[in-house]
Amino acid sequence: DARVTQTPRHKVTEMGQEVTMRCQPILGHNTVFWYRQTMMQGLELLAYFRNRAPLDDSGMPKDRFSAEMPDATLATLKIQPSEPRDSAVYFCASGLALKSGARARMGEAFFGQGTRLTVV
Amino acid sequence: DAKTTQPPSMDCAEGRAANLPCNHSTISGNEYVYWYRQIHSQGPQYIIHGLKNNETNEMASLIITEDRKSSTLILPHATLRDTAVYYCIVRVATTGTASKLTFGTGTRLQVTL
Repeated sequence: DARVTQTPRHKVTEMGQEVTMRCQPILGHNTVFWYRQTMMQGLELLAYFRNRAPLDDSGMPKDRFSAEMPDATLATLKIQPSEPRDSAVYFCASGLALKSGARARMGEAFFGQGTRLTVV
Repeated sequence: DAKTTQPPSMDCAEGRAANLPCNHSTISGNEYVYWYRQIHSQGPQYIIHGLKNNETNEMASLIITEDRKSSTLILPHATLRDTAVYYCIVRVATTGTASKLTFGTGTRLQVTL
């Protein structure tokens, strides 16, 4: 049963500490998304990768957040230094973009279970 | 991506059909209608999508009006496990930045006994 795996599921950390969240996309998927969910803002897109290259990270605070894909099986989201306002559930999703003739089409996105981050 | 409007909440009795409406009056010709749902404490789950024809799969049916300005997601026999927030999203299905999913506030469906 293919699924997106996120670790850790829960993280409590002190303000100022570095936080690293990991995501294993579904094998064969070439697109990875990072979302953040809070009660106030709902689901917000932070970053979006295709074939390990960042396509759009305009939703991500650049001064403290960074997203990378060291290889096709691992995506990471780091916050350094963390702040209480970063407390949220962070979701990773993966999908497959297929080329069909001159155009490529994007299939549905599969989401992981999320990492619940609490910064105190 | 075109903006969508959904009622904030709906109730449905178990076993009955749940009809969730969505308005997307500014939808473009190359934008699809997608539905996702999020059950409490889980990640969003894909349900169905369509362009202009009605679609059906094992989870739900999607009815899109002829002018494509609105659609309805139908869960034919709702169960308690269908209690969730349902998101209607319109997006271009080609790749590139336009294919990102932009979530609104959705409809909170409560299925009751």
